[in-house]
Amino acid sequence: EVQLVESGGGLVQPGGSLRLSCAASGFTFSKYAMSWVRQAPGKGLEWVSSFSGTTSNTYYADSVKGRFTISRDNSKNTLYLQMNSLRAEDTAVYYCAREWQFDAFGQGTLVTVSS
Amino acid sequence: DVVMTQSPLSLPVTLGQPASISCRSSQSLVHNDGNTYLDWFQQRPGQSPRRLIYKVSNRDSGVPDRFSGSGSGTDFTLKISRVEAEDVGVYYCMQGTYWPRAFGQGTKVEIK
Repeated sequence: EVQLVESGGGLVQPGGSLRLSCAASGFTFSKYAMSWVRQAPGKGLEWVSSFSGTTSNTYYADSVKGRFTISRDNSKNTLYLQMNSLRAEDTAVYYCAREWQFDAFGQGTLVTVSS
Repeated sequence: DVVMTQSPLSLPVTLGQPASISCRSSQSLVHNDGNTYLDWFQQRPGQSPRRLIYKVSNRDSGVPDRFSGSGSGTDFTLKISRVEAEDVGVYYCMQGTYWPRAFGQGTKVEIK
């Protein structure tokens, strides 16, 4: 069974940093592209970033480019999202998702950016 | 960037009746590899999203056959043949052909 478990969310002040993790199990992690998708309170889904499974290609939404960095450790079956220079508009539940077309999601972790 | 537009944004339906959601893209979603990467997701209240349909019309494992997807190019449709209570939630289309990935605004399905 595919399992994705996010962690690392919390309350952070504007301008601060946070690192999210997504622990994967139930599949061969290294073979799959992985992504982050977020959802602001009461709003729709927004793609944030993706990391290829077979190459080192990474992709970012314009809204986070230059501030967020996606990475992965295939030896630990874990996906990361380093978030710097956080803004109030980054407040959201952050989901990790498998594959380029998001065939599985985790339960999400809430990031709140507020003073 | 590709823009995805769903309609309606709110869809009250009667149990056992059909429902249909439209999704339009601002440009053709046919990829260079010949595939059309248009997916549909369901998000029940308080839950994570779940993919229902991939590449226009392919149902994911465990998805009831009352859900079907169709369309081509820029116009796509998700149909529920007979709505059940468990279908309440928000439905999103998403294009996976181009970067950046883009979701539609979401369609809220509720029971009348």
